[in-house]
Amino acid sequence: EDQVTQSPEALRLQEGESSSLNCSYTVSGLRGLFWYRQDPGKGPEFLFTLYSAGEEKEKERLKATLTKKESFLHITAPKPEDSATYLCAVQAGNTDKLIFGTGTRLQVFP
Amino acid sequence: EPEVTQTPSHQVTQMGQEVILRCVPISNHLYFYWYRQILGQKVEFLVSFYNNEISEKSEIFDDQFSVERPDGSNFTLKIRSTKLEDSAMYFCASSEAVGSDGYTFGSGTRLTVV
Repeated sequence: EDQVTQSPEALRLQEGESSSLNCSYTVSGLRGLFWYRQDPGKGPEFLFTLYSAGEEKEKERLKATLTKKESFLHITAPKPEDSATYLCAVQAGNTDKLIFGTGTRLQVFP
Repeated sequence: EPEVTQTPSHQVTQMGQEVILRCVPISNHLYFYWYRQILGQKVEFLVSFYNNEISEKSEIFDDQFSVERPDGSNFTLKIRSTKLEDSAMYFCASSEAVGSDGYTFGSGTRLTVV
């Protein structure tokens, strides 16, 4: 069964304190791994898609990496406005749907 | 930046009533989706829609649910007889193609069944 597990469930950081979020997955034939940001009461906001092991993508303070079993979202020198829930999702090769993890709730304090 | 627009933002309905949730996908997108998120739980896939027909649906999407693209811009989710357990945030999403970079999600409709 295709599955996504994210850790930690919650993360509290001081402004400027870099850290990483983990997304472990099992999927039959990965088509893509997606990272989204979700603010309270809002829909998921697209951040990155990774397609193959070894791929990396960056956007401002965020960098996503992918291996055959997991993905990391690295946050460098975070700011309070980075506080949100970060969702990981996978898409298998034979399906339209995204399978989401439960997310990591990030709080960044000034 | 193009957006997926959902209305209403919040709907309260009595158990057993029919509800229609509405979405306007991004204009040049061809694939449309509904997902839901029960409070405190994962975002879950409901259905995908392409070329005026359902291309995939989950076990959640039973006979009580239906989708329609009544005109060139709207995409709707209908729940025929709502149950308490249908209370959730419902998200519409669209994409240019399956597996394309960035499925775009709307801000959601919070459905409360009382």
